[in-house]
Amino acid sequence: EDKVVQSPLSLVVHEGDTVTLNCSYEVTNFRSLLWYKQEKKAPTFLFMLTSSGIEKKSGRLSSILDKKELFSILNITATQTGDSAIYLCAVEGSQGNLIFGKGTKLSVKP
Amino acid sequence: DAGVTQSPTHLIKTRGQHVTLRCSPISGHKSVSWYQQVLGQGPQFIFQYYEKEERGRGNFPDRFSARQFPNYSSELNVNALLLGDSALYLCASSFHGDREAFFGQGTRLTVV
Repeated sequence: EDKVVQSPLSLVVHEGDTVTLNCSYEVTNFRSLLWYKQEKKAPTFLFMLTSSGIEKKSGRLSSILDKKELFSILNITATQTGDSAIYLCAVEGSQGNLIFGKGTKLSVKP
Repeated sequence: DAGVTQSPTHLIKTRGQHVTLRCSPISGHKSVSWYQQVLGQGPQFIFQYYEKEERGRGNFPDRFSARQFPNYSSELNVNALLLGDSALYLCASSFHGDREAFFGQGTRLTVV
């Protein structure tokens, strides 16, 4: 059965800290892994990763995929209170759907 | 340009009732998927429709059904509501598949 496991489930840091969020997966016929940020309701797209070892960056956020070890990490440097959210990891399933993990709830304190 | 729109935004229903949730995809998108997100969990796949045909179905009981209309909007229907159906229902709109999808703001369903 395809599954995605995220860790930690919750995390509290102070502004300026660097955080690393983890995502491991098991999926038949891997095609892509995606990261989303969910602040209130709609998950918003951050990254899509398809190739191992290639880092994707957007400002203070970056992500990398290891297809051999079946995991991905999302790094956030110099965290701000606006980074407080649930971060969701998902893999593309065989039906073209997304299989999500439970998410990591990040709280950034001023 | 309008994003994915869902209605209603909030809904309270009683156990045993029926509910219909609606989704209008981004203009030009032909694929709509539905996801259920219960508190503390990630979204779970319910259905995917493409060009008005069901293309995928998650592990949900037959009380859940959906359809897509000629204008690509979609409805999710849930019969015989249970307390456990209380969740945020998300609609995802894309050209072909959910890896490129945009999510709506969701419908928060509370079953009492």
